[in-house]
Amino acid sequence: DQQVKQNSPSLSVQEGRISILNCDYTNSMFDYFLWYKKYPAEGPTFLISISSIKDKNEDGRFTVFLNKSAKHLSLHIVPSQPGDSAVYFCAASVQGAQKLVFGQGTRLTINP
Amino acid sequence: EPEVTQTPSHQVTQMGQEVILRCVPISNHLYFYWYRQILGQKVEFLVSFYNNEISEKSEIFDDQFSVERPDGSNFTLKIRSTKLEDSAMYFCASGLTGTQYFGPGTRLLVL
Repeated sequence: DQQVKQNSPSLSVQEGRISILNCDYTNSMFDYFLWYKKYPAEGPTFLISISSIKDKNEDGRFTVFLNKSAKHLSLHIVPSQPGDSAVYFCAASVQGAQKLVFGQGTRLTINP
Repeated sequence: EPEVTQTPSHQVTQMGQEVILRCVPISNHLYFYWYRQILGQKVEFLVSFYNNEISEKSEIFDDQFSVERPDGSNFTLKIRSTKLEDSAMYFCASGLTGTQYFGPGTRLLVL
C-alpha cells in the first residue's frame, strides 16, 4: 500500500536555514492532510494540517503547501532549529473514512 | 494541555498469551483509534471507534483483536492469542474531527 510516499528517507539542514520535506500521494479521494513529528520512543506529535480546499496553511515556523494537481504536499520549516531534529510523517485521510494513511517518514537532522 | 495516555509503556509476553493495551483518550474527543508500527515500517491503521462501535477496521484487525470502551474514559485493545509478528509499537489516538492526537505508545514484544 503506497498511497502516501515520502521519497527522502533523510534530510540534513543547517540551523537557521529552511527545511523542506516532501510527500506525494496517489489517492485522489484524500482531502485532508497532516504532518506529524516523531521522536524515538514517543508517539507522533501533530504539527499542522491542510484541507484540500486550501493550498497553503501557516502556523508559526511551519507552513504546509498542497498542490492537488500534482498530488504533492510539502512542509516548510523556517528557520530550522536543533530541536526540529526528528522523523516527520505526512498522513492523509478521506473525510468520513477517518483512518490516516501514513508515509514512511523522513528523518530530519538540523546541524548547528 | 490535555493529552492521550497509554499503559503500559512496555509489555513482554509469551506467544499465545492474551494482552490488553490501555488508553485514556482526550476527554472531549469522540473518535478513537489504534495504530501500530512494526520496527522499520510505516505507522499502520488498525481500527477506529465511534459512538461505542467500530467504524472502520483494517485487514490486520482480524478476530484475534478486539476493542472496548468499558467506561467513559478508557479505550482498550485486546489481542487474544499473540503471535511473534504482533511485536510492534501500538499507538492509541483520539480526535474530534480530522486531526488525530496520538499517545506515547506501548511497545509490545512477543517471545
